[in-house]
Amino acid sequence: AQRVTQPEKLLSVFKGAPVELKCNYSYSGSPELFWYVQYSRQRLQLLLRHISRESIKGFTADLNKGETSFHLKKPFAQEEDSAMYYCALARDSWGKLQFGAGTQVVVTP
Amino acid sequence: NAGVTQTPKFRVLKTGQSMTLLCAQDMNHEYMYWYRQDPGMGLRLIHYSVGEGTTAKGEVPDGYNVSRLKKQNFLLGLESAAPSQTSVYFCASRTGQGSGELFFGEGSRLTVL
Repeated sequence: AQRVTQPEKLLSVFKGAPVELKCNYSYSGSPELFWYVQYSRQRLQLLLRHISRESIKGFTADLNKGETSFHLKKPFAQEEDSAMYYCALARDSWGKLQFGAGTQVVVTP
Repeated sequence: NAGVTQTPKFRVLKTGQSMTLLCAQDMNHEYMYWYRQDPGMGLRLIHYSVGEGTTAKGEVPDGYNVSRLKKQNFLLGLESAAPSQTSVYFCASRTGQGSGELFFGEGSRLTVL
């Protein structure tokens, strides 16, 4: 069965500290993974997708097929990074996404 | 450019009442989805559509029906609301090609008493 696990419900970090959000998945095929973010009073939006290998707002995520992980990292957290982050796995070619439970990040000054 | 618009944004229902949530997108997207968001469970797919006139069940379809009579609209219906359907509902859409980004609506908060 396909599953996306985000083990941390809440991450509280200080401004300027590194932040890492964990995401593990189980999938029998070739995975397509995403990170979505929901800032306060804003709609859910795409942050990163693994195929583009880009850095957005200082965040990066590397797909590790051996460990079946797609952790999200940022070396220096900013207050504006406070948000709910969801890891998601594309289940098929119809674009259906399997979401993790989400991790709430709080960056304190 | 409005993107994905959901109506209503808030609604309180009594058990057994019916209602319809409307999702409209102006991006000419082929694919549309309805998700529900519950604390500790992330977003779960209710129903989806890959084109006008087509619908399919997602992960948690029971108690819901959908229709896609026009390409730009995707309706989610609750025939007989139950307290377990208290949730925040999100509509999303994307193009039908490649690894398309999902574009989400602002959400509709539904409370069933």
